[in-house]
Amino acid sequence: DAGVTQSPTHLIKTRGQQVTLRCSPKSGHDTVSWYQQALGQGPQFIFQYYEEEERQRGNFPDRFSGHQFPNYSSELNVNALLLGDSALYLCASSLERFSYEQYFGPGTRLTVT
Amino acid sequence: GNSVTQMEGPVTLSEEAFLTINCTYTATGYPSLFWYVQYPGEGLQLLLKATKADDKGSNKGFEATYRKETTSFHLEKGSVQVSDSAVYFCALRHTQGGSEKLVFGKGTKLTVNP
Repeated sequence: DAGVTQSPTHLIKTRGQQVTLRCSPKSGHDTVSWYQQALGQGPQFIFQYYEEEERQRGNFPDRFSGHQFPNYSSELNVNALLLGDSALYLCASSLERFSYEQYFGPGTRLTVT
Repeated sequence: GNSVTQMEGPVTLSEEAFLTINCTYTATGYPSLFWYVQYPGEGLQLLLKATKADDKGSNKGFEATYRKETTSFHLEKGSVQVSDSAVYFCALRHTQGGSEKLVFGKGTKLTVNP
């Protein structure tokens, strides 16, 4: 049973560029949440997707956007990258009716220079 | 709003020592509470959970009891091992608009020396 997978593992971008991160949920899960974990901090909720729609959003600017596909996989897009966007981006999947029981992927380490 | 406060780290212990990592929360009502663990270079793994007051979550020798009177969920282990070295996060379940998210503390780094 495959767990949550994320790609790429690491990424280096320049300020002003755009980036797309990808996530495949655990088999059978239909809900995907994204979190940003800055160095030395706890994860901060970005948004959650279910049935291809954004259901809830944290305190992040519109530069952060996402998408969920019919197979439940998801993408996180960040435009106009800032140095402060450097972080570990975590994807978590769950079943909609138990969306608080979230299973996390290993994350994508984004470095903005 | 809902929030979680953890004791500041890092915490350094010798093998077989007793571990306590304090966690308190602020929330409306009585949310489910969780402890997650993050090993170096990895994502978060659910360690244990408690869904109502006085519940005790336990896993791999770790325990935490949901105390509504003190709004706390302290993590304990009687005898730590070197392999327990990791960062530990306390979290609560927050429900809004029909969907749910996790609110995390800042994490406590534990190092266990042989």
